[in-house]
Amino acid sequence: GAGVSQSPSNKVTEKGKDVELRCDPISGHTALYWYRQSLGQGLEFLIYFQGNSAPDKSGLPSDRFSAERTGGSVSTLTIQRTQQEDSAVYLCASSLLAGGGTDTQYFGPGTRLTVL
Amino acid sequence: GENVEQHPSTLSVQEGDSAVIKCTYSDSASNYFPWYKQELGKRPQLIIDIRSNVGEKKDQRIAVTLNKTAKHFSLHITETQPEDSAVYFCAANSGSARQLTFGSGTQLTVLP
Repeated sequence: GAGVSQSPSNKVTEKGKDVELRCDPISGHTALYWYRQSLGQGLEFLIYFQGNSAPDKSGLPSDRFSAERTGGSVSTLTIQRTQQEDSAVYLCASSLLAGGGTDTQYFGPGTRLTVL
Repeated sequence: GENVEQHPSTLSVQEGDSAVIKCTYSDSASNYFPWYKQELGKRPQLIIDIRSNVGEKKDQRIAVTLNKTAKHFSLHITETQPEDSAVYFCAANSGSARQLTFGSGTQLTVLP
């Protein structure tokens, strides 16, 4: 079946502009995660959605970052007033269930964000 | 919170040799330890994982070992091939979201 998809694949924006990044998880997966990968670095957790529960926002670096998940499926990550340090690859992952946290997380191809 | 350290940061081996990458974690509540392979410009792909109720798992040329007492786990790749060249990340689950905390990655280069 189809894997996790993300759009756009690349986004170049000017400092101060807002951007929206989209994630389509694998159908039927209830858990959705956003991570950020800066150049040459590991992945950094941002936010987590599980079903209709309130999201876990503990990884968001500032209040300029927000995310929503509509209908328990598609998710959008929004970065307001972008800064150059926001430049990174933003990766989305989904898993079938989050219970116990031992389910495999499948990653999307990522969105490469460049803030000029 | 969880802290995962990964060594070495770069590793070069001759084709056919073995490669070992080591990780340590800090949160004793972590119970899931996946390894991801990431080729340049591609998404991370799960290659093997281990849960805390076992000490070792093998899948063909790849094996992972876990020592819960010492809080460390390792990836072993035998009979390396040039296509094994990539960045490898270890991770451990933690936190209320059971999110993955990743190591900083190991750039593996297999020389033909």
